[in-house]
Amino acid sequence: RKEVEQDPGPFNVPEGATVAFNCTYSNSASQSFFWYRQDCRKEPKLLMSVYSSGNEDGRFTAQLNRASQYISLLIRDSKLSDSATYLCSPPNAGNNRKLIWGLGTSLAVNP
Amino acid sequence: DAGVTQSPTHLIKTRGQQVTLRCSPKSGHDTVSWYQQALGQGPQFIFQYYEEEERQRGNFPDRFSGHQFPNYSSELNVNALLLGDSALYLCASSSLPGRGGSYNEQFFGPGTRLTVL
Repeated sequence: RKEVEQDPGPFNVPEGATVAFNCTYSNSASQSFFWYRQDCRKEPKLLMSVYSSGNEDGRFTAQLNRASQYISLLIRDSKLSDSATYLCSPPNAGNNRKLIWGLGTSLAVNP
Repeated sequence: DAGVTQSPTHLIKTRGQQVTLRCSPKSGHDTVSWYQQALGQGPQFIFQYYEEEERQRGNFPDRFSGHQFPNYSSELNVNALLLGDSALYLCASSSLPGRGGSYNEQFFGPGTRLTVL
């Protein structure tokens, strides 16, 4: 299994839809997880952190399933402005602060 | 509070040339990581600097080298440029766990877009 795997999409959804992405990881010792959002030709920006079972912030919910080694991102009531690439980055455990990134999942929210 | 800054924003070089990219970390951060991101790909880890030493390295040839200064800023040097080095080069800063930063949370600069002709 690759260190991080994401479905590249693209996911095309209408405004108001609910969409979910998964990200699987191989390092079972990973302790903290992050979802980043990257707009075209811009830098990634932190969207959500996941340290335990899950985290919710408005329309966004991130969940962690340690048994199956995946994290998910759920976006409710999609907005046009949610169109972007979503990157998950489960870091290696311990003091190794190297971040291994997935390829990202492309989301297009259509009017 | 200034975030991560990078310079230059854009750069055009020819094959065989050398380039130096610069990064200043977010205030309070002591660790700098460099990434290469080709179009349509996720960021690829180049290396990470902490306490002025290279601590981790990805699968990049020795043509890629770096440096970290006492003020935590960093440089990425690439020698003998190849066409395939054309990419967005991202710098990300973070702090050690327990020093006010979330574990492994990284903040990215705007990147330097390098084009090799």
